[in-house]
Amino acid sequence: GESVGLHLPTLSVQEGDNSIINCAYSNSASDYFIWYKQESGKGPQFIIDIRSNMDKRQGQRVTVLLNKTVKHLSLQIAATQPGDSAVYFCAENSLMDSSYKLIFGSGTRLLVRP
Amino acid sequence: GAGVSQTPSNKVTEKGKYVELRCDPISGHTALYWYRQSLGQGPEFLIYFQGTGAADDSGLPNDRFFAVRPEGSVSTLKIQRTERGDSAMYLCASSPSGVYQETQYFGPGTRLLVL
Repeated sequence: GESVGLHLPTLSVQEGDNSIINCAYSNSASDYFIWYKQESGKGPQFIIDIRSNMDKRQGQRVTVLLNKTVKHLSLQIAATQPGDSAVYFCAENSLMDSSYKLIFGSGTRLLVRP
Repeated sequence: GAGVSQTPSNKVTEKGKYVELRCDPISGHTALYWYRQSLGQGPEFLIYFQGTGAADDSGLPNDRFFAVRPEGSVSTLKIQRTERGDSAMYLCASSPSGVYQETQYFGPGTRLLVL
């Protein structure tokens, strides 16, 4: 994803509402995608992943959608809670391009209003 | 069980000094990765170890950066003649075997500030 420097896109939601965080990826050869959550001062925490042979995967309160046609990924969080406040990163991986190397997007900050 | 640990959590140094950053991966994980994260950006790949050997160090920015993993467990990232531009969060991650589509588990990072 394109870097936005210090000015992270921010999504502000009311507690209890659903959140949708979007990510565009650039490498059409990418076939594995991961969402990470990063709280202030901490390392990225794995949330959910999806392989390119799927277009939807669900976890606990989270759903990831993959649209390979437009190279778009989204993370949906149901019933958003204050503890969900963090920066969310999508990461992509390609078997053809250094299969162990994660390429991260620039992140979205999620703020949950009480 | 214990996750990835990194020490120190914060490091302040002066321009031109040498620093070492340590990573303890999850026990039994043979694959270890170093990433660097600048403020407001996503992590960027630096180097990947499979066991004791650096399988890919293409992300290291220049020859002032070096990393080792002599016994296939703990890794040390070494930065010589530090510059202010080296200030960033340095993240370590590990995974069980380094196979494709394997989850990488990150440590809490070391925040490096070069004055």
